[in-house]
Amino acid sequence: GENVEQHPSTLSVQEGDSAVIKCTYSDSASNYFPWYKQELGKGPQLIIDIRSNVGEKKDQRIAVTLNKTAKHFSLHITETQPEDSAVYFCAASSQGGSEKLVFGKGTKLTVNP
Amino acid sequence: DAGVTQSPTHLIKTRGQQVTLRCSPKSGHDTVSWYQQALGQGPQFIFQYYEEEERQRGNFPDRFSGHQFPNYSSELNVNALLLGDSALYLCASSLEITYEQYFGPGTRLTVT
Repeated sequence: GENVEQHPSTLSVQEGDSAVIKCTYSDSASNYFPWYKQELGKGPQLIIDIRSNVGEKKDQRIAVTLNKTAKHFSLHITETQPEDSAVYFCAASSQGGSEKLVFGKGTKLTVNP
Repeated sequence: DAGVTQSPTHLIKTRGQQVTLRCSPKSGHDTVSWYQQALGQGPQFIFQYYEEEERQRGNFPDRFSGHQFPNYSSELNVNALLLGDSALYLCASSLEITYEQYFGPGTRLTVT
């Protein structure tokens, strides 16, 4: 079955710096890669996603890149703000909404003012 | 437009008891998935319901069962609770023909 590995497990940056979180997946059939942000005491919030027919997607300060050949994808956050502090999870799926998501173990991002 | 809702928010049960958790999907969504999130870990897939049938199941024992109602809401039942069942239980809803899954706030289950 699919296995998703995520690095680093913790990341501390200064406000205004960029943050990068990386994930690798094992199943070449996976074609949908969402990223979730989870704040303390809340459920995961979908922040951006990418499908395998696209190499990069941007939404304001957040971008995701996908390398299908190497089976890895990354989340990039620019101009970080204290409110970006949270746990971020990557996930992979072979059919999106009609298929289970396999999650990485998460990255705790701390943005220091 | 209401998002995914779950009840109750918190629950404390004793080992051996049974528990039922509830989920109402986002308006217009027809598919409900349940995940278990242990402390400090990513969510793990339990099962998914579509058209009132269990469509997929993760690596969880038969003590975990579920149901989906005609209005697409869903229940997760866990029998013979173990201490290791203590976790945040998350419900995610989606539309069968699309990709995005949206999570509810979760139910925090503590088994003592």
